[in-house]
Amino acid sequence: DAGVIQSPRHEVTEMGQEVTLRCKPISGHDYLFWYRQTMMRGLELLIYFNNNVPIDDSGMPEDRFSAKMPNASFSTLKIQPSEPRDSAVYFCASSLTAGGYSTDTQYFGPGTRLTVL
Amino acid sequence: KNEVEQSPQNLTAQEGEFITINCSYSVGISALHWLQQHPGGGIVSLFMLSSGKKKHGRLIATINIQEKHSSLHITASHPRDSAVYICAVKVDTDKLIFGTGTRLQVFP
Repeated sequence: DAGVIQSPRHEVTEMGQEVTLRCKPISGHDYLFWYRQTMMRGLELLIYFNNNVPIDDSGMPEDRFSAKMPNASFSTLKIQPSEPRDSAVYFCASSLTAGGYSTDTQYFGPGTRLTVL
Repeated sequence: KNEVEQSPQNLTAQEGEFITINCSYSVGISALHWLQQHPGGGIVSLFMLSSGKKKHGRLIATINIQEKHSSLHITASHPRDSAVYICAVKVDTDKLIFGTGTRLQVFP
């Protein structure tokens, strides 16, 4: 398997523009996670899905952020409008979990480095 | 106070030294991850454990659920072990809370 695939790898945009980040999880994985990493705050969970359904979006910073998972093999994280403080590395991860107290590991994608000018 | 605390924040070592990185947490967990992030930025899961000890090559991870503490040990450290090591705890069903990481540099 190719692992978790993210695109683009780098994105530079201007404040106010819409940004869409994409993720393809590992085939067969039923959980998908979006994380953000900054120097100040480290890694933070933004939202995660189980079987394409959003389970917990309490980490989404504000209404400018939205995430969708239209099918088992694709998810998007959208920022509209973008702001300089959104500059960060955004990671997608997926896992195969039986639920409850499963100890299945999460597999991370390479990340998208977003710079908002 | 952070729910997941790591120590030390920064660590330098000479090649061959035995290294220990500590993680303490204050919440109930179902499992604990140790992750490695190389300078290029990619994140790799090293271990996921809920009790006892796991070993993979020169890496050993232990967890004490009663004391809410985990350690990551690296035996015979090598410059290629230089990375940021991140502890993350799994709460609820699958939500992860991350420590701030330990930056390790191993010099030849």
